[in-house]
Amino acid sequence: DQQVKQNSPSLSVQEGRISILNCDYTNSMFDYFLWYKKYPAEGPTFLISISSIKDKNEDGRFTVFLNKSAKHLSLHIVPSQPGDSAVYFCAASAAYNDMRFGAGTRLTVKP
Amino acid sequence: NAGVTQTPKFQVLKTGQSMTLQCAQDMNHNSMYWYRQDPGMGLRLIYYSASEGTTDKGEVPNGYNVSRLNKREFSLRLESAAPSQTSVYFCASSTLGNEQFFGPGTRLTVL
Repeated sequence: DQQVKQNSPSLSVQEGRISILNCDYTNSMFDYFLWYKKYPAEGPTFLISISSIKDKNEDGRFTVFLNKSAKHLSLHIVPSQPGDSAVYFCAASAAYNDMRFGAGTRLTVKP
Repeated sequence: NAGVTQTPKFQVLKTGQSMTLQCAQDMNHNSMYWYRQDPGMGLRLIYYSASEGTTDKGEVPNGYNVSRLNKREFSLRLESAAPSQTSVYFCASSTLGNEQFFGPGTRLTVL
């Protein structure tokens, strides 16, 4: 039973435009949410996180939004760059050591 | 500072063979994790170790054993490999409550 879902397997955007990646979760006990980025043949790397006491967290071009009532979070990348092309994983945890990941969304940013 | 290292990078086994995947981190993290990544499934937690001397089951522990050898090293053992264990395996480490740092992965094929 996947508790974290990324319903879009892929997304393609033009360089300079906004990329919006979405994630839904089912477990209301989740209180910490993260986004990871993964390039081929490498391990995931941490991008940005948000705790359940916030609804927005921003780091440079990356902003994560959390809507607890809808059990939904999103990652906005503005402006998108070709180097952002990667697979993005959403993750959530209720206890720090038990993190659940979504299946990932492959982002392609076209020059 | 190498971060999280994993050996081997690639491995092919026959059904029934055993092997150990090695993981080491040099960031003085207390917590270490083993995940597997399968197409369309995201990353799933196999086992974790919250601190030296402790290990706990994750979401998919069947068919695996782990050893937290010391603070730096956390190994994953397949006693009798099965084709269903064909996957990419990632080791990660963290300070409790913070983001996890991942190794580059081991691609395992069981024939």
